[in-house]
Amino acid sequence: KAGVTQTPRYLIKTRGQQVTLSCSPISGHRSVSWYQQTPGQGLQFLFEYFSETQRNKGNFPGRFSGRQFSNSRSEMNVSTLELGDSALYLCASSPTEANTGELFFGEGSRLTVL
Amino acid sequence: QQQVKQSPQSLIVQKGGISIINCAYENTAFDYFPWYQQFPGKGPALLIAIRPDVSEKKEGRFTISFNKSAKQFSLHIMDSQPGDSATYFCAASLTWAAGNKLTFGGGTRVLVKP
Repeated sequence: KAGVTQTPRYLIKTRGQQVTLSCSPISGHRSVSWYQQTPGQGLQFLFEYFSETQRNKGNFPGRFSGRQFSNSRSEMNVSTLELGDSALYLCASSPTEANTGELFFGEGSRLTVL
Repeated sequence: QQQVKQSPQSLIVQKGGISIINCAYENTAFDYFPWYQQFPGKGPALLIAIRPDVSEKKEGRFTISFNKSAKQFSLHIMDSQPGDSATYFCAASLTWAAGNKLTFGGGTRVLVKP
């Protein structure tokens, strides 16, 4: 069974640009979460989607947005990039609607903002 | 606000030794406490988890100890091996709340010397 797939794995952007990251969850998983990982702040929750509905959102500015498609694939978008947005963005999927706390993470998309 | 505090930030242990990582949480509503292991270039992976109605859980060389009154829990890695060298994250979750959201500790980088 394939794991969580994130694309692209690496990307470089400049300040002010926008970026879209993609996540394909494990087959059959309908919950998709996004986390930002940085050396200073660690792993921080961005948002979670289930059946195309955002069920939970972290404390990030409105420049960070996401969506989920009917096939459970998810995208997150960051507009007007800032230097501080440089991070590893991790997607995780979960098999159930319930909040089990058991997440299956992808390898992440490493974003560098210059 | 850091709801889950983890220590130490890093530790070095000899092969065969015991690695101990501690976490403290603030929100008494948390009801699920997983530990995740992350290798360089990979996403975190669930290692072991515990609920607050249990004081200890053991899986192979990994043991979680939980102290509900002190709002603390810890991970013990017995007979540490070089392959255990990774970053470990404790986390906490509200399983009764909608949306798979984990609140992570800051992480502990473990290096096991041969």
